Parts: sequence; C-alpha cells; structure tokens
Amino acid sequence: KAGVTQTPRYLIKTRGQQVTLSCSPISGHRSVSWYQQTPGQGLQFLFEYFSETQRNKGNFPGRFSGRQFSNSRSEMNVSTLELGDSALYLCASKVEAGGITDTQYFGPGTRLTVL
Amino acid sequence: TQLLEQSPQFLSIQEGENLTVYCNSSSVFSSLQWYRQEPGEGPVLLVTVVTGGEVKKLKRLTFQFGDARKDSSLHITAAQPGDTGLYLCAHRGGNQFYFGTGTSLTVIP
Repeated sequence: KAGVTQTPRYLIKTRGQQVTLSCSPISGHRSVSWYQQTPGQGLQFLFEYFSETQRNKGNFPGRFSGRQFSNSRSEMNVSTLELGDSALYLCASKVEAGGITDTQYFGPGTRLTVL
Repeated sequence: TQLLEQSPQFLSIQEGENLTVYCNSSSVFSSLQWYRQEPGEGPVLLVTVVTGGEVKKLKRLTFQFGDARKDSSLHITAAQPGDTGLYLCAHRGGNQFYFGTGTSLTVIP
C-alpha cells in the first residue's frame, strides 16, 4: 500500500505570493490533517478534513486554508505569503476509527521557503 | 493547548551508549504517542501508551507511561547511528494531536 504523498517536495516563493500544496492520503483513509513544522515553534496543527469537511482548525490566521476532495485528496493554500511562513508543511492521514489509539501516517512534507 | 515539554532538547552520544528522553506535562492524558522523524521525512509512529505505569518495548527502545499519566519516557539501549532523529511525543485532544517540543538525537559512530 502506497504511503502518504505530498507535492511538491520543495517550493520557493516570494513575499506576497500565494501557494498551494497537495496531499494524497493512504488509500482508504478519510481523514487528512495538515501541520506546520518550524525550528522555533515545533510541529503545530493547522486543520483537519474528514469527508470533505473541515472538522478542526488550529490557531492560524485566515491566510491558511484548505479543502478536501471526494477522493480524500487534500490541498492547503497560503495566501499573501510572509517570511515567517517558511516551514516544513506536513500532511497526515488516518482511517478515523475514532479511538484514542488512532494512528496517523505522515507524508514526507513540503519544504516551503519564502524570500 | 496542553503543553508537552520534552527534555533534553538536544542529545549527542557515542554509538553503544544508553540514553533516556522525557516527555512531561501538568495535564493527565488518556494516551501518549512517541514518534521518530528522520531528516527530510515526516514523523513515524513508534508506540502508543495507554495505561498508567505501562511499559512497552520495541527492540532496543523502552517506553514508559507515568503512573499518573502525566509523563512518559523513552529509553534507548546501545544506541546506533540509525537511531539518529527527532523524537516527538504527542497526545490526542479531541480531533487534534498536540506535539511536544522534541528531542533531537545524534548518535556518533
């Protein structure tokens, strides 16, 4: 079974631009979560999608948005990029059995650099 | 936000040495997870501990959940270069996972 895939792996943008990142979950997984990882703040939750609906959202500004398609693939968008948005963006998928031992599987991430 | 503090933040040891990293909080958790993240990759789940006082072993890795379910530790015996990576603890709150600050481990051959 193929793992979580993310595209692109690396991206360089300039301030003010917008960016769209893509995530394909493991087949059969309906929940997709997005995280931002930086050296200073660590791994922080952005949002989670389940069955095309945003189910949970972290404490990030409205410039960060996402969506999920009927095939469970997900995209996240960041508008009006700022230097501080430079980070590794990770996507994770899980089956969503609802138990406390749910396992989420991470993709390799997209390294975004904002100049 | 239920803060998970990990210590030490950085650890550099020689191959063959033993080490312990810690994950602490003032909150009580129903479960805790440990992940390892290698450079250029996403975190990979190592173990989930659920019961207070629980000890789980994964080859040379031993995970313990505190009796009060507020803390956890990871002990590595005879570390190898392949153990190098960022070790993260995490807990699930609602539909969201909260991650600790991480311990960056380097094992020198």
